[in-house]
Amino acid sequence: AQKITQTQPGMFVQEKEAVTLDCTYDTSDQSYGLFWYKQPSSGEMIFLIYQGSYDEQNATEGRYSLNFQKARKSANLVISASQLGDSAMYFCAMREALLYNQGGKLIFGQGTELSVKP
Amino acid sequence: DAGITQSPRHKVTETGTPVTLRCHQTENHRYMYWYRQDPGHGLRLIHYSYGVKDTDKGEVSDGYSVSRSKTEDFLLTLESATSSQTSVYFCAISAGRGQTYEQYFGPGTRLTVT
Repeated sequence: AQKITQTQPGMFVQEKEAVTLDCTYDTSDQSYGLFWYKQPSSGEMIFLIYQGSYDEQNATEGRYSLNFQKARKSANLVISASQLGDSAMYFCAMREALLYNQGGKLIFGQGTELSVKP
Repeated sequence: DAGITQSPRHKVTETGTPVTLRCHQTENHRYMYWYRQDPGHGLRLIHYSYGVKDTDKGEVSDGYSVSRSKTEDFLLTLESATSSQTSVYFCAISAGRGQTYEQYFGPGTRLTVT
């Protein structure tokens, strides 16, 4: 069965430093997608970054990058140059999907609460 | 902005009453989803839809039903609300970008069952 594990319930980082949020996954599928979402205290779910299982390069979106290690089944989120506004809950999620399947369901981890210190 | 709205945004209801939550999207996306979020569980899929009148169950579907009579609207109904259904409910759509399809979420509905 699919499973997402986030082992860090909470983390602290100093402003302007980089931080890595861990995510490991379990699936028997060869084709899948990995996502990270940010949930600030206001409650909305904000899409950050996506990595496909066949993507050869790690995904990057501005200050966010995804450290994808397929053999280890890990998909860690790296936030560079942390800002106070990065303080939020972060969720890792996985979707089983064929290459052109639009509608795969997401399985979420339990989240990591990140606090950025000034 | 994926053009997703949810209504109501907050609701308090009594045990045993039916409740309907509405998700509305403006961009004609085919796939829509309902998730619930509870402390310690992350988000869990309740039901999803892959087209008008085409729906299927997720992992926590007991006590919930859905309907989709128009592309833009996906309704979630709690047939007889229980305290265990107190939660935050998120609607989502699947939107394509190249060969990938990300899910974008609505603002959420906070439901309290007393």
